[in-house]
Amino acid sequence: AQSVTQLGSHVSVSEGALVLLRCNYSSSVPPYLFWYVQYPNQGLQLLLKYTSAATLVKGINGFEAEFKKSETSFHLTKPSAHMSDAAEYFCAVTTPSGSARQLTFGSGTQLTVLP
Amino acid sequence: DSGVTQTPKHLITATGQRVTLRCSPRSGDLSVYWYQQSLDQGLQFLIQYYNGEERAKGNILERFSAQQFPDLHSELNLSSLELGDSALYFCASSVGPRTEAFFGQGTRLTVV
Repeated sequence: AQSVTQLGSHVSVSEGALVLLRCNYSSSVPPYLFWYVQYPNQGLQLLLKYTSAATLVKGINGFEAEFKKSETSFHLTKPSAHMSDAAEYFCAVTTPSGSARQLTFGSGTQLTVLP
Repeated sequence: DSGVTQTPKHLITATGQRVTLRCSPRSGDLSVYWYQQSLDQGLQFLIQYYNGEERAKGNILERFSAQQFPDLHSELNLSSLELGDSALYFCASSVGPRTEAFFGQGTRLTVV
């Protein structure tokens, strides 16, 4: 079984400040991990993914995440927040076994960027 | 634009009715996934098809069914609708199991 916990359902940062969104996972086998972003009335857009290669993963829009096996974490960061980053962010986990692929999502973190 | 097309974008229907949601995956993608997003349950995996065959099943109700056709488009059928079925239903597709899934814009279903 696999699960994802996102700490903090709402995070507020000032424009230009560091963004840190927390994600911890649970998986019985080495996982694949993803961060998706959802803007209002939009679908989910992939920000970045970890698929057992480099542990520091760079994504779109200046976001990056680091896979830490010892901490079972995959936190999302961005050095400097922009107003356009305001959205809901979802961490997701899956296990690469066969052709079955089920993403298990966290409950999401709503990011607010203050001017 | 992810390349995944879902129709309709919005659907309002009455309790007890049946609806069909349609999904056209990205060109070349063999896997199609359906997810439900609601305020109380969050994002829940419903079902996955790979090249026409069911490959994984999640928290899908017996009143719900899906299929993937030879041209790889997929339909999600929801019957005997209840107020609690009101949600955003997403379709996603991927080339195969080891590649990321791309999501459509979703169909917002409102049951009244």
